Amino acid sequence: QITLKESGPTLVKPTQTLTLTCTFSGFSLSTYAEGVGWIRQPPGKALEWLGIIYWNDDKRYSPSLKNRLTITRDTSRNQVVLTITNMDPVDTATYYCAHRRFLGVPTTGAFDMWGQGTMVTVSS
Amino acid sequence: DIQMTQSPSSLSASVGDRVTITCQAGQDISNHLNWYQQKPGKAPRLLIYDASNLETEVPSRFSGSGSGTDFTFTISSLQPEDIATYFCQQCDNLPLTFGGGTRVEIK
Repeated sequence: QITLKESGPTLVKPTQTLTLTCTFSGFSLSTYAEGVGWIRQPPGKALEWLGIIYWNDDKRYSPSLKNRLTITRDTSRNQVVLTITNMDPVDTATYYCAHRRFLGVPTTGAFDMWGQGTMVTVSS
Repeated sequence: DIQMTQSPSSLSASVGDRVTITCQAGQDISNHLNWYQQKPGKAPRLLIYDASNLETEVPSRFSGSGSGTDFTFTISSLQPEDIATYFCQQCDNLPLTFGGGTRVEIK
């Protein structure tokens, strides 16, 4: 059974760096085709894909946020870390990590299991 | 980026009604289209992958169809527990993109 859970601060100030940790179980990020993605959702709005890290440590990021995003992994601890620099009030959102199911296209797929999400507010 | 246009943005239907949601991709994405259900305050749940494949343990009243640029999501008989927002997502190419969502309410 795959589970994921996000953790990190609920409040950050503008210009600060946000660091969120996704702790997962039920799979190994060292196994072929596995991946963990990050998605966010501003209050009352749609989902926005942020980035993904794959079993081979390849990472891909949303072009609109690429300069601010970093995704890393710790396979021994079953964790994935998302870092976003220079936070702004428009980054206020619920942040989700999710397990990527490989569907045939190497870099994409479906998110078949999600964490509960963590709400992050950006305010001074 | 591949834009995903979902419609309607909201709908109200009676229990037992057939509900249809459409999603249009900005370019041909073959069958690389997924559907999610999100209940208030909860994380999204995968319902349909690759346009028409029902996820494990998802009730059979949910279905999906389409290919290329035009896709349809259907609830054959709306139930009270189906109150949620539904999102499509293309998985043909990066960046992954989602539709704007359809809020489904009971009339």
